[in-house]
Amino acid sequence: EDKVVQSPLSLVVHEGDTVTLNCSYEVTNFRSLLWYKQEKKAPTFLFMLTSSGIEKKSGRLSSILDKKELFSILNITATQTGDSAIYLCAVYTGAQKLVFGQGTRLTINP
Amino acid sequence: EAQVTQNPRYLITVTGKKLTVTCSQNMNHEYMSWYRQDPGLGLRQIYYSMNVEVTDKGDVPEGYKVSRKEKRNFPLILESPSPNQTSLYFCASSRNPIGAYEQYFGPGTRLTVT
Repeated sequence: EDKVVQSPLSLVVHEGDTVTLNCSYEVTNFRSLLWYKQEKKAPTFLFMLTSSGIEKKSGRLSSILDKKELFSILNITATQTGDSAIYLCAVYTGAQKLVFGQGTRLTINP
Repeated sequence: EAQVTQNPRYLITVTGKKLTVTCSQNMNHEYMSWYRQDPGLGLRQIYYSMNVEVTDKGDVPEGYKVSRKEKRNFPLILESPSPNQTSLYFCASSRNPIGAYEQYFGPGTRLTVT
């Protein structure tokens, strides 16, 4: 059974800290890995990763994929209260569906 | 504005009373999908559709039906809702293949079945 596991499930830090969110996967056929941010309601897209070792970056957020060790990390530097959200990792297996992890709830305290 | 809309946004109903949650997208996407989100379980796929008249089961299809008669609409039907279907539901759409493009999510429907 395809599985995506995120850690930690919950994280509380102070504004300005740097955080690293983890996503590991065990799937029969890996095609791509996607990160989403879920604030109040609907998830919004952050990154799509297909190749190992190539960092994707957007402002203070960055992500990288390791296809040998089967994981990805999402880094957020100089965190702000607006970064508080649930961060979702999903893997596309080619079977016309995404397998999602449980999500990491990130809380940034001022 | 490109968007996925869902209605209703909130619904409280009783066991056994049939209901439909509508979903519509204006981006001409081929792929549409329904997810439910429960605490600690992340997003789980209920049904998906690769195009008009083509639907298939996701991971948790029991108790749900869907139809795709038009490209823009993908309603979710609960013929006889039960309390274990209390959840937050998301509709999403994407170009094909879905792993190469981001999915756009609707605002969610919070369903409570008593």
